[in-house]
Amino acid sequence: DTEVTQTPKHLVMGMTNKKSLKCEQHMGHRAMYWYKQKAKKPPELMFVYSYEKLSINESVPSRFSPECPNSSLLNLHLHALQPEDSALYLCASRGKESPYDGYTFGSGTRLTVV
Amino acid sequence: AQSVTQLGSHVSVSEGALVLLRCNYSSSVPPYLFWYVQYPNQGLQLLLKYTSAATLVKGINGFEAEFKKSETSFHLTKPSAHMSDAAEYFCAVSDRKSGGGTSYGKLTFGQGTILTVHP
Repeated sequence: DTEVTQTPKHLVMGMTNKKSLKCEQHMGHRAMYWYKQKAKKPPELMFVYSYEKLSINESVPSRFSPECPNSSLLNLHLHALQPEDSALYLCASRGKESPYDGYTFGSGTRLTVV
Repeated sequence: AQSVTQLGSHVSVSEGALVLLRCNYSSSVPPYLFWYVQYPNQGLQLLLKYTSAATLVKGINGFEAEFKKSETSFHLTKPSAHMSDAAEYFCAVSDRKSGGGTSYGKLTFGQGTILTVHP
């Protein structure tokens, strides 16, 4: 298995809702990432997990809460989002061996906050 | 901090013509450089990566890139464009951090170049 699987593919939520995005990989990668991509912009890093521990938080608002329950799974819990949080949320993973390794990206979750 | 700059937010070519997408990097140490492609409403797919083993790097779908230290460039080329190459292309640089027994890095993207291919 050489894929990163993200669910759901599309999500519409109200500003008072609580929802979660899920990311799964079975490549044995121990670094996992959440990126946010606004329309016509490059992906921007949100969080990095290394060996299931949060290593980088790029000053992301607390309404986004990441979780890495095991080495294959990465969640992003969403609560009280704003319309400007609407974006494509991308998950990625990378093998441990070398920074030369390419990151493997999922196809993303298209989030719309209404 | 490491960064990449993509010159030209839009590039338009005819089918069969040469594709040239420009990327310049800024780094105080040897960089780790990548090119990714993104089709509409999809994730990113790795085209190729610079590993310092060779300055000319060949990737998937007939793309290649040449690392030129003197010009701090890593431009992406393809000899003959195909309609299916129409997409957005991102140049990216990775730093290297370690923790928890692994090197996880941080991938930073350029602003992207939208490639249009005309029949």
